[in-house]
Amino acid sequence: DTEVTQTPKHLVMGMTNKKSLKCEQHMGHRAMYWYKQKAKKPPELMFVYSYEKLSINESVPSRFSPECPNSSLLNLHLHALQPEDSALYLCASSQEARRFGTDTQYFGPGTRLTVL
Amino acid sequence: DAKTTQPPSMDCAEGRAANLPCNHSTISGNEYVYWYRQIHSQGPQYIIHGLKNNETNEMASLIITEDRKSSTLILPHATLRDTAVYYCIVRAGLTGANSKLTFGKGITLSVRP
Repeated sequence: DTEVTQTPKHLVMGMTNKKSLKCEQHMGHRAMYWYKQKAKKPPELMFVYSYEKLSINESVPSRFSPECPNSSLLNLHLHALQPEDSALYLCASSQEARRFGTDTQYFGPGTRLTVL
Repeated sequence: DAKTTQPPSMDCAEGRAANLPCNHSTISGNEYVYWYRQIHSQGPQYIIHGLKNNETNEMASLIITEDRKSSTLILPHATLRDTAVYYCIVRAGLTGANSKLTFGKGITLSVRP
């Protein structure tokens, strides 16, 4: 099973709202990722967690706050977003294998976020 | 990571083989070639990856040239459900947290009835 689940599927929020995106995997993977995908563009990496610790932040604005409460869960907390933050937010996970080149990422279906 | 070059689009007839090319002329020795696809409004789906040998799985075959500067993804019997954007990605052979997956523009494959 290579399933990554994301909730909600769709989210509409105002610029003053606080909301959270949730991602879950039960494959025993120890690396988890957030990507952002604007319309007609490829996905862009935002954050990487390895063994529940943040290892990569791709200079993402602080209005996006990731959290990894345990090895199966990844959250993205949203606050004071702008309309240009509207996008598909994708979560992925990988084994974080210690062997060379075998760390394949598996993606969830994404959350379609609209900021009004 | 080395960059890849893919044509923007191609089409093929249903039931025929779809051969999707990718150039990665600056690939280095420890970099793998990965292929993902993304069906409209869904998350990217892993297809296959390889280092230097040809690879085959239940979804596709990956043919890598001997100099590793280009590769071809082959879908042996394309169906309408294979219509998607296909991303060819070159990626360093490191553990997940240190090896970024950088998506290019991809190639849009349209399978016609």
